[in-house]
Amino acid sequence: DAGITQSPRYKITETGRQVTLMCHQTWSHSYMFWYRQDLGHGLRLIYYSAAADITDKGEVPDGYVVSRSKTENFPLTLESATRSQTSVYFCASSESKRGLVKNIQYFGAGTRLSVL
Amino acid sequence: GQQLNQSPQSMFIQEGEDVSMNCTSSSIFNTWLWYKQDPGEGPVLLIALYKAGELTSNGRLTAQFGITRKDSFLNISASIPSDVGIYFCAGQGNAGGTSYGKLTFGQGTILTVHP
Repeated sequence: DAGITQSPRYKITETGRQVTLMCHQTWSHSYMFWYRQDLGHGLRLIYYSAAADITDKGEVPDGYVVSRSKTENFPLTLESATRSQTSVYFCASSESKRGLVKNIQYFGAGTRLSVL
Repeated sequence: GQQLNQSPQSMFIQEGEDVSMNCTSSSIFNTWLWYKQDPGEGPVLLIALYKAGELTSNGRLTAQFGITRKDSFLNISASIPSDVGIYFCAGQGNAGGTSYGKLTFGQGTILTVHP
């Protein structure tokens, strides 16, 4: 199906393990984003990417790594998972071209991650 | 960095009542967006606002881009049970370069509608 998809939808892991969350979009959007959602904090930006091979830190990047070798994929890796990284993770994409006003972000369904 | 204050944090209303929520910012925004998140799903765009003073409707939803460009409100008229969810405001300021596409999100308003 077209759109933005995240996998897995649910993940349980243990402290210290490496975990990769996948995000794939079929719109050829240039911008992609990773957020985490926690009670009382709303959506907080972890990392974002303006194009393939261009990534930048958001508000809460520590403990996370991203890559963007292809426009359509933007995986998020927790190199050594900690309990504080238990959260719901959302990927989003946006056209956001210069001169284009409509900076609408479209979200995936989320990955619920539990770190034990 | 830019901060958005969204209020109220939660609302408990009866079916049929009108709802109003708002967001304020310490910075000027060029774009205001309102999203709704259903339980277990990602946020979905409800209304997008691009000009100061703009008033836009989407069915029972109406949103306005404040004249000062530092605030926005969302109204829901005649609420129904399926309006339940979390409502987020989001704004984009004047950041340039690769930050161009970034949004700042409010903390969300949790809406509960009693039949």
